[in-house]
Amino acid sequence: DQQVKQNSPSLSVQEGRISILNCDYTNSMFDYFLWYKKYPAEGPTFLISISSIKDKNEDGRFTVFLNKSAKHLSLHIVPSQPGDSAVYFCAATEYTGTASKLTFGTGTRLQVTL
Amino acid sequence: DAGVTQSPTHLIKTRGQQVTLRCSPKSGHDTVSWYQQALGQGPQFIFQYYEEEERQRGNFPDRFSGHQFPNYSSELNVNALLLGDSALYLCASSLGHATGNSPLHFGNGTRLTVT
Repeated sequence: DQQVKQNSPSLSVQEGRISILNCDYTNSMFDYFLWYKKYPAEGPTFLISISSIKDKNEDGRFTVFLNKSAKHLSLHIVPSQPGDSAVYFCAATEYTGTASKLTFGTGTRLQVTL
Repeated sequence: DAGVTQSPTHLIKTRGQQVTLRCSPKSGHDTVSWYQQALGQGPQFIFQYYEEEERQRGNFPDRFSGHQFPNYSSELNVNALLLGDSALYLCASSLGHATGNSPLHFGNGTRLTVT
C-alpha cells in the first residue's frame, strides 16, 4: 500500500518560472512532512519540512503547503533555477512509540530549462 | 565534518550469496536507518538502529538483518540473495528520534547488483 503518492513522475519548467510539485498521502498519523532532493549518484538531501499542525512553511525560494483535509501537500519553487533539476521525493514521518519511520513517495523528476 | 559514509559504493553478487554493507553515521548522530531504493521507486524503509538495538522494522524478510556497533556505525546483511534484491541501499543517520526538525542525513548509497 502506497501511503505517500507522487502522481507526476516528471515535470519540466522554464527557468524563472514557478515549479509546483504535488504529493498525496493516506495515513492520518503522519506528524511531519518533508521534501528531499536527489541528484544522480548522490543520496537524498533534506530540503524543507512542515509539521502536521501547520499549513505553510517557507524557506527562501522554497515553500511547502499542507492541506490536511485533502491529505495533500505541495512544494513551490520560485523562481526555478537550472540547479534545481533533480528528483524530488515527498516523505512523511510517523512516530510509532519506539522509533520514527520515514515513508517516501516515488519521486518527481524536475527539469528546469533555460 | 564528515557526513554519512557508506562502503562499498558498488557490489556485484550472485544469487544465493550473502552480502554485508557498511555505514558510518554523520558525526554526532546516534541513530542509523537503512533504506532500499529500487529503480524508479522511492526509498523503502528496512529498519532503524538505536543504542545497538533494532527499534523499528519495515516490510522486509528476515534475510535482511543488521547490527549497530558501540561507535554508532552499522552493517546491513542480506542472506540468500535474490535477483530482486538488486537496488541502491541507502544509509541515513539522525540524532535520536528523527522529526521534521531533525531530518535524516543520507549517504550516497551502495549499488548492489545480483546476477
